[in-house]
Amino acid sequence: AQSVTQLGSHVSVSEGALVLLRCNYSSSVPPYLFWYVQYPNQGLQLLLKYTTGATLVKGINGFEAEFKKSETSFHLTKPSAHMSDAAEYFCAVLGETSGSRLTFGEGTQLTVNP
Amino acid sequence: KAGVTQTPRYLIKTRGQQVTLSCSPISGHRSVSWYQQTPGQGLQFLFEYFSETQRNKGNFPGRFSGRQFSNSRSEMNVSTLELGDSALYLCASFSRQGADTQYFGPGTRLTVL
Repeated sequence: AQSVTQLGSHVSVSEGALVLLRCNYSSSVPPYLFWYVQYPNQGLQLLLKYTTGATLVKGINGFEAEFKKSETSFHLTKPSAHMSDAAEYFCAVLGETSGSRLTFGEGTQLTVNP
Repeated sequence: KAGVTQTPRYLIKTRGQQVTLSCSPISGHRSVSWYQQTPGQGLQFLFEYFSETQRNKGNFPGRFSGRQFSNSRSEMNVSTLELGDSALYLCASFSRQGADTQYFGPGTRLTVL
């Protein structure tokens, strides 16, 4: 069974600083990996996904993530934080044996300070 | 293209009652998944439907059920509500396979008193 661990339930950065949200996964098969963002009182919005091919994935709003198989990691980064990035971020994994079931991490609340 | 629609957005029920939530997927999408989101348990998979057939089911009691109609709209039902059923219920719509991008609706916030 696959699982996802997000290190740090709360991350606080200054506006303009680097954003780094950590995600490690466990999967017995090559996984598909996703990052979603959730704003208050809203559903989940896909930021980016890794399925196959290039391990550096670029997403919306300036975010990107790198799939590192040797480290079983899929960390999310953004070079310069903006106030509008404040939200909760979820890493999710889809293993080949799980059908279409996404397994989510616990989430990381990102705060951006002016 | 219109996004995923979930109705109602907010619901307040009392223990023992039952509730039905609705999800209309993106036009052309034939798959719908449901998730429960709570502060304590996070996001948990409920079930998945494709072409009116339940394709996958999470680890929830039988009080939780769902169905999908020929137009791909889906409903989920919770009977004999318990306080612990208070949650945000999210519906995801996708074309066919899980690796396809799953688009989430805004959710239905259920409060059980």
